[in-house]
Amino acid sequence: SQKIEQNSEALNIQEGKTATLTCNYTNYSPAYLQWYRQDPGRGPVFLLLIRENEKEKRKERLKVTFDTTLKQSLFHITASQPADSATYLCALRETNTGNQFYFGTGTSLTVIP
Amino acid sequence: NAGVMQNPRHLVRRRGQEARLRCSPMKGHSHVYWYRQLPEEGLKFMVYLQKENIIDESGMPKERFSAEFPKEGPSILRIQQVVRGDSAAYFCASSRPGSSGNTIYFGEGSWLTVV
Repeated sequence: SQKIEQNSEALNIQEGKTATLTCNYTNYSPAYLQWYRQDPGRGPVFLLLIRENEKEKRKERLKVTFDTTLKQSLFHITASQPADSATYLCALRETNTGNQFYFGTGTSLTVIP
Repeated sequence: NAGVMQNPRHLVRRRGQEARLRCSPMKGHSHVYWYRQLPEEGLKFMVYLQKENIIDESGMPKERFSAEFPKEGPSILRIQQVVRGDSAAYFCASSRPGSSGNTIYFGEGSWLTVV
């Protein structure tokens, strides 16, 4: 069956450290993988998109990697801040199945001051 | 987020009533997606629409749920004869057509409570 799995446990890290979140998928052939941030009671906010032929993408303190062999994406937040505390969702899109976006269950990140 | 407008933000319905959720996509976006999110769960795809067309409704329950995106006006997600299990946050997202539509932008959601 198709699955998108993110860190099952909530992640707590100290301010200033690097947070690393994982997204593993099974039985998908994504053309695009994206990361979103969601705060309680709010809609998800787009952060980064990476294509299947890209290994790494950066945006300010954020870095995403995409390994289609391992079927995994890693999402890094460097120099983390308490304001980075939120739930982070990965989403992928295939090109041949109606173009919907499939989401993981999310990882809750808490950055401790 | 502010570009995709959803209303109402909060809706309370008694069992058996109808719920109508509205979504106006961002300017220039002609594709709309509806997702449902239950507490502590991920976003579950429901339906993908373009103007006047349902492209993919594989995530829609077979009964009581319907969606439309008319030529004029917002997209509507309609839930008839609501039950307690329909209580959830319903998110709408929109995108541009074609390859430039590989990012979807979400609204703030509509929280449905069935009492």
